[in-house]
Amino acid sequence: GAGVSQSPSNKVTEKGKDVELRCDPISGHTALYWYRQSLGQGLEFLIYFQGNSAPDKSGLPSDRFSAERTGGSVSTLTIQRTQQEDSAVYLCASSLLMGNSPLHFGNGTRLTVT
Amino acid sequence: AQKVTQAQTEISVVEKEDVTLDCVYETRDTTYYLFWYKQPPSGELVFLIRRNSFDEQNEISGRYSWNFQKSTSSFNFTITASQVVDSAVYFCALSEIGTASKLTFGTGTRLQVTL
Repeated sequence: GAGVSQSPSNKVTEKGKDVELRCDPISGHTALYWYRQSLGQGLEFLIYFQGNSAPDKSGLPSDRFSAERTGGSVSTLTIQRTQQEDSAVYLCASSLLMGNSPLHFGNGTRLTVT
Repeated sequence: AQKVTQAQTEISVVEKEDVTLDCVYETRDTTYYLFWYKQPPSGELVFLIRRNSFDEQNEISGRYSWNFQKSTSSFNFTITASQVVDSAVYFCALSEIGTASKLTFGTGTRLQVTL
């Protein structure tokens, strides 16, 4: 079946603008995760969804970052008033909500803030 | 707090050489999961293996093998007879059991295999 789909694949925005990143998980995967990968860094956890609720938002770096998930499926990560330090690859992953099922990652959205 | 350390930033080998990627982790939990992921140039992270802390048996899958040693908090990954297609960034990761796969990643090791 189809994998995790993220859009856009690339986004260039001006500092101060808002951006929305979309993730479409694998059908049937109830858990959804957002991670951020900055140049030369590992992957940094941002937020986790179980269905439509987000029991763990501990990784969101500031209140400019928010995310929602509707219908237990598509998720949107929104970054308001973007800053240059927000430039990174934003990765979405989904998994079955059983034990510690492996995460299946999308190709990511490369965000560049100029 | 959990931490995963991949001390090797970049490794270069010639095709057919064996190569070992090191991973050392820290956790206060007695039960946890360890993972390895591969990130080829295309960017998509590919799951390779999951190992729970109860099972210290080594695992082999084709040219890949993993050595889990709880006593040294290490989960090393060996590629035998490396190939150019193995060129990628490899990430080791750790999760608590019961946290629905929230992963703590290492910073990755970039493996370059040349002819």
